[in-house]
Amino acid sequence: KAGVTQTPRYLIKTRGQQVTLSCSPISGHRSVSWYQQTPGQGLQFLFEYFSETQRNKGNFPGRFSGRQFSNSRSEMNVSTLELGDSALYLCASSLEGRNRVDEQYFGPGTRLTVT
Amino acid sequence: GESVGLHLPTLSVQEGDNSIINCAYSNSASDYFIWYKQESGKGPQFIIDIRSNMDKRQGQRVTVLLNKTVKHLSLQIAATQPGDSAVYFCAERDDDYKLSFGAGTTVTVRA
Repeated sequence: KAGVTQTPRYLIKTRGQQVTLSCSPISGHRSVSWYQQTPGQGLQFLFEYFSETQRNKGNFPGRFSGRQFSNSRSEMNVSTLELGDSALYLCASSLEGRNRVDEQYFGPGTRLTVT
Repeated sequence: GESVGLHLPTLSVQEGDNSIINCAYSNSASDYFIWYKQESGKGPQFIIDIRSNMDKRQGQRVTVLLNKTVKHLSLQIAATQPGDSAVYFCAERDDDYKLSFGAGTTVTVRA
């Protein structure tokens, strides 16, 4: 079974631009979560999608948004990029996300650099 | 073996020794805890988990201990190998099903 895939793996953008990152979950997984990882703040939860609906949200500004498609693939978008948005963006998928033993599987991440 | 009583960002351990990584969690409502391993260039990988109604759980070469009284979690790795070199994160899942991660401990195994 293929793992979680994220595209692109690396991205360089300029301040003020916007960016869209893509995540394909493991086949059969319906819950997709996004995380931001930086050296200073560590791993922080952005949001979770299930059945095309945002089910949970972390403490990030509205510039960060996402969506999920009917095939469970998910995208996240960051508008008006700031230097502080430079980070590794990780996607994780799980079957339902509500079962106590429902393990999350992480993708390799997208490394975003904002200049 | 080598261990840290409080969380430290790095841990250097001799190959073959046991290592202990500590983590303090913040939310007393969290009822599920997970340890992840992250190698360079990869996403976090599940190691072992434990529910709040347990205080110990063992896996292959790893043991997780949970002390709810002081909100402390530890990961013990037996006979540490070079392939164990990575960053280790603890995570807690709250009653809203959100995962919160600890700061991470970088483990370096000395040959």
